[in-house]
Amino acid sequence: GDSVTQMEGPVTLSEEACLTINCTYTATGYPSLFWYVQYPGEGLQLLLKATKADDKGSNKGFEATYRKETTSFHLEKGSVQVSDSAVYFCALLSQGGSEKLVFGKGTKLTVNP
Amino acid sequence: NAGVTQTPKFRILKIGQSMTLQCTQDMNHNYMYWYRQDPGMGLKLIYYSVGAGITDKGEVPNGYNVSRSTTEDFPLRLELAAPSQTSVYFCASSEGRITQETQYFGPGTRLLVL
Repeated sequence: GDSVTQMEGPVTLSEEACLTINCTYTATGYPSLFWYVQYPGEGLQLLLKATKADDKGSNKGFEATYRKETTSFHLEKGSVQVSDSAVYFCALLSQGGSEKLVFGKGTKLTVNP
Repeated sequence: NAGVTQTPKFRILKIGQSMTLQCTQDMNHNYMYWYRQDPGMGLKLIYYSVGAGITDKGEVPNGYNVSRSTTEDFPLRLELAAPSQTSVYFCASSEGRITQETQYFGPGTRLLVL
Protein backbone atom coordinates (compact mmCIF):
# COMPACT_ATOMS: atom_id res chain seq x y z
CA GLY A 1 0.00 0.00 0.00
CA ASP A 2 0.89 3.66 -0.13
CA SER A 3 3.28 4.94 2.51
CA VAL A 4 5.29 7.98 3.56
CA THR A 5 8.67 7.90 5.29
CA GLN A 6 10.03 10.94 7.08
CA MET A 7 13.37 11.51 8.68
CA GLU A 8 13.41 10.67 12.37
CA GLY A 9 13.40 13.54 14.80
CA PRO A 10 13.68 15.44 16.90
CA VAL A 11 15.60 18.12 15.05
CA THR A 12 17.12 20.98 17.04
CA LEU A 13 18.47 24.06 15.27
CA SER A 14 19.63 27.52 16.16
CA GLU A 15 17.74 30.52 14.82
CA GLU A 16 18.69 31.42 11.22
CA ALA A 17 20.00 27.92 10.48
CA CYS A 18 18.99 26.05 7.32
CA LEU A 19 16.37 23.35 7.57
CA THR A 20 15.81 20.21 5.53
CA ILE A 21 13.31 17.54 6.54
CA ASN A 22 13.44 14.53 4.25
CA CYS A 23 10.30 12.85 2.98
CA THR A 24 10.06 9.93 0.56
CA TYR A 25 6.98 8.07 -0.55
CA THR A 26 5.77 4.83 -2.04
CA ALA A 27 2.70 4.97 -4.23
CA THR A 28 1.41 3.87 -7.60
CA GLY A 29 0.90 6.50 -10.23
CA TYR A 30 1.21 10.18 -9.42
CA PRO A 31 0.01 11.04 -5.92
CA SER A 32 -0.46 14.56 -4.62
CA LEU A 33 1.98 15.52 -1.86
CA PHE A 34 1.52 17.73 1.18
CA TRP A 35 3.34 19.17 4.16
CA TYR A 36 1.32 19.93 7.29
CA VAL A 37 2.50 21.70 10.45
CA GLN A 38 1.22 21.16 13.99
CA TYR A 39 2.03 23.82 16.58
CA PRO A 40 1.92 22.78 20.24
CA GLY A 41 -1.60 22.10 21.45
CA GLU A 42 -3.20 22.78 18.07
CA GLY A 43 -4.60 20.89 15.11
CA LEU A 44 -2.74 20.50 11.84
CA GLN A 45 -2.44 23.28 9.29
CA LEU A 46 -1.66 22.86 5.62
CA LEU A 47 1.78 24.34 4.95
CA LEU A 48 2.19 23.62 1.24
CA LYS A 49 1.31 21.11 -1.45
CA ALA A 50 2.23 19.89 -4.93
CA THR A 51 -0.10 17.96 -7.16
CA LYS A 52 2.18 16.94 -10.05
CA ALA A 53 5.79 16.07 -10.72
CA ASP A 54 8.29 18.96 -10.67
CA ASP A 55 5.78 21.27 -8.98
CA LYS A 56 7.22 23.38 -6.18
CA GLY A 57 5.01 24.23 -3.21
CA SER A 58 5.94 27.22 -1.08
CA ASN A 59 4.57 29.11 1.90
CA LYS A 60 5.98 31.17 4.81
CA GLY A 61 9.53 30.72 3.52
CA PHE A 62 9.21 26.94 3.30
CA GLU A 63 9.59 25.11 -0.01
CA ALA A 64 9.29 21.55 -1.28
CA THR A 65 9.69 20.16 -4.79
CA TYR A 66 7.85 17.07 -6.04
CA ARG A 67 10.59 14.78 -7.42
CA LYS A 68 9.11 11.82 -9.22
CA GLU A 69 12.47 10.28 -10.11
CA THR A 70 13.51 10.04 -6.45
CA THR A 71 9.94 9.77 -5.03
CA SER A 72 10.75 12.59 -2.65
CA PHE A 73 9.21 15.81 -1.32
CA HIS A 74 11.80 17.27 1.04
CA LEU A 75 10.87 20.35 3.09
CA GLU A 76 13.39 23.21 3.14
CA LYS A 77 13.75 26.63 4.69
CA GLY A 78 16.77 28.86 4.39
CA SER A 79 16.56 30.56 7.78
CA VAL A 80 14.40 29.18 10.58
CA GLN A 81 12.85 31.20 13.39
CA VAL A 82 11.88 30.27 16.93
CA SER A 83 8.24 30.48 15.82
CA ASP A 84 8.85 27.58 13.38
CA SER A 85 9.14 25.17 16.31
CA ALA A 86 6.46 22.57 15.63
CA VAL A 87 5.87 19.05 14.33
CA TYR A 88 5.95 18.70 10.55
CA PHE A 89 4.06 15.96 8.71
CA CYS A 90 4.52 14.82 5.14
CA ALA A 91 1.46 13.26 3.52
CA LEU A 92 0.27 11.88 0.21
CA LEU A 93 -3.06 11.47 -1.51
CA SER A 94 -3.23 8.66 -4.03
CA GLN A 95 -4.53 9.08 -7.54
CA GLY A 96 -8.00 7.71 -8.03
CA GLY A 97 -10.53 10.01 -6.43
CA SER A 98 -10.20 8.91 -2.82
CA GLU A 99 -9.87 11.43 0.01
CA LYS A 100 -7.65 9.14 2.07
CA LEU A 101 -4.54 11.07 3.08
CA VAL A 102 -1.60 8.93 4.21
CA PHE A 103 0.66 10.63 6.75
CA GLY A 104 4.24 10.14 7.80
CA LYS A 105 5.06 9.87 11.50
CA GLY A 106 6.06 13.51 11.83
CA THR A 107 9.30 15.31 12.61
CA LYS A 108 9.56 17.55 15.66
CA LEU A 109 11.55 20.72 15.10
CA THR A 110 12.83 22.89 17.93
CA VAL A 111 14.48 26.20 17.09
CA ASN A 112 16.52 27.83 19.83
CA PRO A 113 17.23 31.58 20.01
CA ASN B 1 -14.90 32.77 12.59
CA ALA B 2 -15.20 29.72 14.82
CA GLY B 3 -13.98 27.37 12.05
CA VAL B 4 -13.99 23.73 13.16
CA THR B 5 -14.97 23.14 16.78
CA GLN B 6 -14.73 19.89 18.72
CA THR B 7 -16.16 18.82 22.06
CA PRO B 8 -15.14 17.64 24.55
CA LYS B 9 -11.47 18.63 24.77
CA PHE B 10 -10.59 15.73 27.03
CA ARG B 11 -12.42 12.64 28.25
CA ILE B 12 -11.64 9.54 30.27
CA LEU B 13 -13.72 6.46 29.47
CA LYS B 14 -13.90 3.06 31.08
CA ILE B 15 -13.58 -0.02 28.89
CA GLY B 16 -16.94 -0.85 27.34
CA GLN B 17 -18.45 2.61 27.73
CA SER B 18 -19.72 4.54 24.75
CA MET B 19 -19.47 8.20 23.79
CA THR B 20 -19.91 10.62 20.94
CA LEU B 21 -17.25 13.08 19.87
CA GLN B 22 -18.85 16.20 18.45
CA CYS B 23 -17.57 18.16 15.46
CA THR B 24 -19.14 21.28 13.98
CA GLN B 25 -17.94 23.60 11.23
CA ASP B 26 -19.41 26.98 10.31
CA MET B 27 -17.77 27.37 6.90
CA ASN B 28 -20.47 25.52 4.91
CA HIS B 29 -17.91 22.94 3.84
CA ASN B 30 -19.08 19.84 2.03
CA TYR B 31 -16.20 17.57 3.02
CA MET B 32 -15.58 16.50 6.61
CA TYR B 33 -13.11 14.05 8.11
CA TRP B 34 -12.24 12.25 11.32
CA TYR B 35 -8.63 11.32 12.09
CA ARG B 36 -6.89 9.75 15.06
CA GLN B 37 -3.34 10.53 16.10
CA ASP B 38 -1.51 8.04 18.26
CA PRO B 39 1.61 9.15 20.18
CA GLY B 40 4.59 9.67 17.88
CA MET B 41 2.57 8.76 14.81
CA GLY B 42 0.95 10.53 11.91
CA LEU B 43 -2.77 10.91 11.56
CA LYS B 44 -4.89 8.04 10.31
CA LEU B 45 -8.25 8.58 8.61
CA ILE B 46 -11.22 6.96 10.37
CA TYR B 47 -14.19 8.13 8.31
CA TYR B 48 -14.98 10.94 5.93
CA SER B 49 -18.01 12.51 4.30
CA VAL B 50 -18.38 14.37 1.02
CA GLY B 51 -21.78 15.80 1.88
CA ALA B 52 -24.84 15.45 4.06
CA GLY B 53 -26.11 11.88 4.01
CA ILE B 54 -22.88 10.45 2.56
CA THR B 55 -20.12 8.78 4.58
CA ASP B 56 -17.23 6.49 3.69
CA LYS B 57 -14.66 4.44 5.56
CA GLY B 58 -11.10 5.53 5.93
CA GLU B 59 -8.03 3.54 6.90
CA VAL B 60 -9.07 2.57 10.48
CA PRO B 61 -12.91 2.52 10.76
CA ASN B 62 -13.33 -0.49 13.06
CA GLY B 63 -14.90 0.37 16.41
CA TYR B 64 -16.36 3.68 15.19
CA ASN B 65 -19.52 4.95 13.54
CA VAL B 66 -20.41 8.27 11.97
CA SER B 67 -23.43 10.07 10.62
CA ARG B 68 -23.84 13.24 8.57
CA SER B 69 -27.40 14.50 8.83
CA THR B 70 -26.45 18.16 8.32
CA THR B 71 -23.70 20.02 6.50
CA GLU B 72 -22.39 21.49 9.77
CA ASP B 73 -22.14 18.43 12.02
CA PHE B 74 -20.16 15.20 11.77
CA PRO B 75 -20.27 13.28 15.08
CA LEU B 76 -18.05 10.26 15.73
CA ARG B 77 -19.49 7.47 17.86
CA LEU B 78 -17.52 4.95 19.91
CA GLU B 79 -19.84 2.12 20.97
CA LEU B 80 -17.63 -0.11 23.13
CA ALA B 81 -14.52 1.76 24.16
CA ALA B 82 -11.27 -0.21 24.18
CA PRO B 83 -7.77 0.80 25.40
CA SER B 84 -6.59 0.70 21.76
CA GLN B 85 -8.85 3.71 21.12
CA THR B 86 -6.82 5.90 23.45
CA SER B 87 -5.71 8.64 21.10
CA VAL B 88 -6.17 12.25 20.06
CA TYR B 89 -9.04 12.68 17.62
CA PHE B 90 -9.08 15.46 15.05
CA CYS B 91 -12.00 16.57 12.94
CA ALA B 92 -11.35 18.48 9.72
CA SER B 93 -13.34 20.05 6.92
CA SER B 94 -12.74 21.37 3.42
CA GLU B 95 -14.82 23.06 0.76
CA GLY B 96 -13.92 20.41 -1.78
CA ARG B 97 -11.34 17.77 -2.59
CA ILE B 98 -8.05 18.02 -0.69
CA THR B 99 -6.09 18.50 -3.90
CA GLN B 100 -8.04 21.64 -4.70
CA GLU B 101 -9.09 23.03 -1.32
CA THR B 102 -7.43 23.59 2.04
CA GLN B 103 -8.34 21.26 4.87
CA TYR B 104 -9.05 22.98 8.20
CA PHE B 105 -8.53 21.08 11.43
CA GLY B 106 -10.21 21.39 14.81
CA PRO B 107 -8.19 21.59 18.04
CA GLY B 108 -8.66 17.89 18.86
CA THR B 109 -10.24 15.70 21.53
CA ARG B 110 -7.92 13.75 23.79
CA LEU B 111 -9.48 10.41 24.78
CA LEU B 112 -8.14 8.06 27.42
CA VAL B 113 -9.70 4.60 27.78
CA LEU B 114 -8.90 2.79 31.01
